[in-house]
Amino acid sequence: KAGVTQTPRYLIKTRGQQVTLSCSPISGHRSVSWYQQTPGQGLQFLFEYFSETQRNKGNFPGRFSGRQFSNSRSEMNVSTLELGDSALYLCASSLSPGRGETQYFGPGTRLLVL
Amino acid sequence: AQSVTQLDSHVSVSEGTPVLLRCNYSSSYSPSLFWYVQHPNKGLQLLLKYTSAATLVKGINGFEAEFKKSETSFHLTKPSAHMSDAAEYFCVVSSSPSGGSYIPTFGRGTSLIVHP
Repeated sequence: KAGVTQTPRYLIKTRGQQVTLSCSPISGHRSVSWYQQTPGQGLQFLFEYFSETQRNKGNFPGRFSGRQFSNSRSEMNVSTLELGDSALYLCASSLSPGRGETQYFGPGTRLLVL
Repeated sequence: AQSVTQLDSHVSVSEGTPVLLRCNYSSSYSPSLFWYVQHPNKGLQLLLKYTSAATLVKGINGFEAEFKKSETSFHLTKPSAHMSDAAEYFCVVSSSPSGGSYIPTFGRGTSLIVHP
């Protein structure tokens, strides 16, 4: 079974631009979560989607948004990019939301904002 | 509310010696606890998880962890380190009130260095 895939793997943008990252979950998984990983802040939860609905959202500004499609694929969008948005963005999928559900992570998209 | 503290940012061991990565958590509700490993430029891989069954949890690659409620700890151990164990390790707690949403909280990570 194929794992979680994320595209693109690397991205360079300039301040003020916007970016869209894509995540394809493991087949059969309906829950997708997004995380931002930086050396300074570590791994921080962005949001979680299940059945095309946002279930949870982390403490990030409104410039960060996402959506999930009927096939469970998910996209996240960052508008008006700032230098501090440079990070590794990780997507994780699970069968469903839940306390004990195992999340399977993709390799991440590394975003550099110049 | 929940939080997780990984007590060591770096742990250095020699190949063949035991590994201990420490994790303390705080949670107002019955938690699930996880350990993930991240190798350079890779995503996170689940090592093991605790979800209120047996308190001693065995994972992949010889790792295990013990849930100690009285000490609010979930330390990760391995009897004998291998060079391939060198990586970043994350302890994660997930809990919520009944019927609530579970948002996992990640520790800051422990970098395991294995010397030949």
